Amino acid sequence: NAGVTQTPKFQVLKTGQSMTLQCAQDMNHEYMSWYRQDPGMGLRLIHYSVGAGITDQGEVPNGYNVSRSTTEDFPLRLLSAAPSQTSVYFCASRPGQANTGELFFGEGSRLTVL
Amino acid sequence: ILNVEQSPQSLHVQEGDSTNFTCSFPSSNFYALHWYRWETAKSPEALFVMTLNGDEKKKGRISATLNTKEGYSYLYIKGSQPEDSATYLCAFRDFGNEKLTFGTGTRLTIIP
Repeated sequence: NAGVTQTPKFQVLKTGQSMTLQCAQDMNHEYMSWYRQDPGMGLRLIHYSVGAGITDQGEVPNGYNVSRSTTEDFPLRLLSAAPSQTSVYFCASRPGQANTGELFFGEGSRLTVL
Repeated sequence: ILNVEQSPQSLHVQEGDSTNFTCSFPSSNFYALHWYRWETAKSPEALFVMTLNGDEKKKGRISATLNTKEGYSYLYIKGSQPEDSATYLCAFRDFGNEKLTFGTGTRLTIIP
């Protein structure tokens, strides 16, 4: 039972490079989201999706793009990486709209931008 | 941006002692309050999801209470053990909103 799978676990980028963080879940969850975690800041929501074809911005969306072409996958794209995007990124999912259920988190992706 | 605050930021507790910490959140338009336990080098795992004013939930030595009218929740740990060392996060969701807003957490260290 894989749950929420994130890849890669670690990545080093140079300023201006682009990359995609992958997130996949096998629980048929409608809701998926990306958070970043920085010291003293807690988890801050970047983007989220309530179902395939639907995405919306969270608290800190600038510099990031997302898409949701399938229920299972929710990739996070950095088009031109900046040092301020050095962080640990977590993907999380839960069942659909009316459900108050818990979030299930991936293991995190540590990104360093030089 | 919703204001979710946790106190204290960090706490050192002797093994065997009991402890508690607080999460405060907006008292209007409440939908759900979550507690998560986050061990170093792992990902957060849910402890409780609370939805009703006056809710009390328990899992082993850990319990939580909820007051939606005044906008706070307490997490209690009874007879602390070294394995309780972790950061405890609360997260608030208001009605009609899909997003969970997290507090910055309480970092608990149990001293053997």
